[in-house]
Amino acid sequence: AQSVTQPDIHITVSEGASLELRCNYSYGATPYLFWYVQSPGQGLQLLLKYFSGDTLVQGIKGFEAEFKRSQSSFNLRKPSVHWSDAAEYFCAVGASGAGSYQLTFGKGTKLSVIP
Amino acid sequence: DVKVTQSSRYLVKRTGEKVFLECVQDMDHENMFWYRQDPGLGLRLIYFSYDVKMKEKGDIPEGYSVSREKKERFSLILESASTNQTSMYLCASSLSGRAGGPREQYFGPGTRLTVT
Repeated sequence: AQSVTQPDIHITVSEGASLELRCNYSYGATPYLFWYVQSPGQGLQLLLKYFSGDTLVQGIKGFEAEFKRSQSSFNLRKPSVHWSDAAEYFCAVGASGAGSYQLTFGKGTKLSVIP
Repeated sequence: DVKVTQSSRYLVKRTGEKVFLECVQDMDHENMFWYRQDPGLGLRLIYFSYDVKMKEKGDIPEGYSVSREKKERFSLILESASTNQTSMYLCASSLSGRAGGPREQYFGPGTRLTVT
């Protein structure tokens, strides 16, 4: 079974600073990887996904993530954070193979942005 | 624009009541999911359905049941609500992963259920 670890429970950055949120997964084959964002009181919104191909993927709101097989990581980055990026971020992994429906989510990283 | 709607944003029920949470998606997705979200625990899968009338248990199905009579609608049922079921409940849907892996899930806004 696959699993996901988000090592940082809470991160605080200044507006305009760069951001990197860490995600490590455990899965034997090539995983399906996702990043979601959740604003307070809202559902989750998909930021980006990785299935195969180019290991650097671009998402919405200026986010990108890089798949590194050797490190079992899929870290989320943004070069310049805006106050509206304050939210909780979830990394998720799914198993490859026909009939695979489920995603396993990490426990989330809460991002605070200092004006 | 894709849309997943949940019947209530906030719900307050008493211990022992039967509670229905409704979820509707308009994307013709095959798969639908129910999660609960608690601080520090992330999202935990309660049940999912990959077709009408089909369901499978997730990680924490105890105390819950589900119903999927139509493709667009997936209901979560708390047969006898208890205080430890106070939580945020999130519904999601996705296309079938039959081609070789899971597809991205689209989430509703959530229902915050309080059981007193």
